[in-house]
Amino acid sequence: DGGITQSPKYLFRKEGQNVTLSCEQNLNHDAMYWYRQDPGQGLRLIYYSQIVNDFQKGDIAEGYSVSREKKESFPLTVTSAQKNPTAFYLCATGLAGAYNEQFFGPGTRLTVL
Amino acid sequence: GENVEQHPSTLSVQEGDSAVIKCTYSDSASNYFPWYKQELGKRPQLIIDIRSNVGEKKDQRIAVTLNKTAKHFSLHITETQPEDSAVYFCAAKPYFGNEKLTFGTGTRLTIIP
Repeated sequence: DGGITQSPKYLFRKEGQNVTLSCEQNLNHDAMYWYRQDPGQGLRLIYYSQIVNDFQKGDIAEGYSVSREKKESFPLTVTSAQKNPTAFYLCATGLAGAYNEQFFGPGTRLTVL
Repeated sequence: GENVEQHPSTLSVQEGDSAVIKCTYSDSASNYFPWYKQELGKRPQLIIDIRSNVGEKKDQRIAVTLNKTAKHFSLHITETQPEDSAVYFCAAKPYFGNEKLTFGTGTRLTIIP
């Protein structure tokens, strides 16, 4: 997981603005994931991608968008349509396969004012 | 889709005692069950996992048991130490289909010195 970077660590935005969170990996993993973490609600999946130029919605995709143009990068955009965007966002990567571990990045804490 | 329930949400134990965290899952197709530990301010990290073809797995002071019939699995930590204080997440994933892990809501474990 040292090969996964998320930037910035802390992000502040005004309500109504779109914001893009960065996730980059040098682990050569095919799969990448975005999770949202709120107190007492565990890790909820926003979007995931198993291969370049393809991604699927997770459990809470509304108000978010992603792209996967490169294997190393999986940016997440939090749009103004997301009603409660303040949260801790975690990116994860993993090898394709049924039993493979997911590795997490250090996370970005987004606060919308 | 899969639904994972985790109990208890908080757990306090005396140092040296054992701690047990339980999870139930709904999808009988799930056959991979990892446990992640998240220390305060850090990213989740895999501590142990189990596949559905075994009933128990141990790694030093940590063990996981799986009951496929009842669709539940548990994390056991023996001889607890202060560094075991963290939030623990269980998860489940089916072998076939997508690469999506479904997480429980987490257990905050506090070890009392």
